[in-house]
Amino acid sequence: TQLLEQSPQFLSIQEGENLTVYCNSSSVFSSLQWYRQEPGEGPVLLVTVVTGGEVKKLKRLTFQFGDARKDSSLHITAAQPGDTGLYLCAGVSSNDYKLSFGAGTTVTVRA
Amino acid sequence: DSGVTQTPKHLITATGQRVTLRCSPRSGDLSVYWYQQSLDQGLQFLIQYYNGEERAKGNILERFSAQQFPDLHSELNLSSLELGDSALYFCASSASGTGTYEQYFGPGTRLTVT
Repeated sequence: TQLLEQSPQFLSIQEGENLTVYCNSSSVFSSLQWYRQEPGEGPVLLVTVVTGGEVKKLKRLTFQFGDARKDSSLHITAAQPGDTGLYLCAGVSSNDYKLSFGAGTTVTVRA
Repeated sequence: DSGVTQTPKHLITATGQRVTLRCSPRSGDLSVYWYQQSLDQGLQFLIQYYNGEERAKGNILERFSAQQFPDLHSELNLSSLELGDSALYFCASSASGTGTYEQYFGPGTRLTVT
């Protein structure tokens, strides 16, 4: 059982559309990170959120940390083919300070 | 380029054999993490070292071991290899072993056991 549940597992959209992926848990996290991974490469850190309710923007990507620090979302506006990849969330538990990864959401943006 | 290097990039070996994967962290990073990624298991945390000492253990098999050397590079040793050990193995580094744990991943080693 994953400590962090990501949904959906797969997402395929047309270029220019918006998308949101979710990362949920019953546990509280002291911080949460989002990574993007392309096939055959290592995950690349996109953002870290620390404060409940925090919203961070990275160009067309908007990251939100839930008020209770148990969940997060990633919203992409006007998706482009370059946004294609596996999006992973990772949380640092407030209990034992261990980092756990979700299973990921595979996003495909069709041109 | 994350600044984390891993060698070799590809490794093909037979069941029962032993291999060593090597990782050099980003300059200044004290923590090294090892992960295994397979299609059906996702990214699985194996073990973390901080400044030469084991800091945390995840789902690491007894056939696997790791160490971090005084120059901070790390090696992951996999022995008595089985077909199911075929996977991508990633190393990541972070500045410290605590805090927000922002990690920088290497390009990975693809291990194929035949």
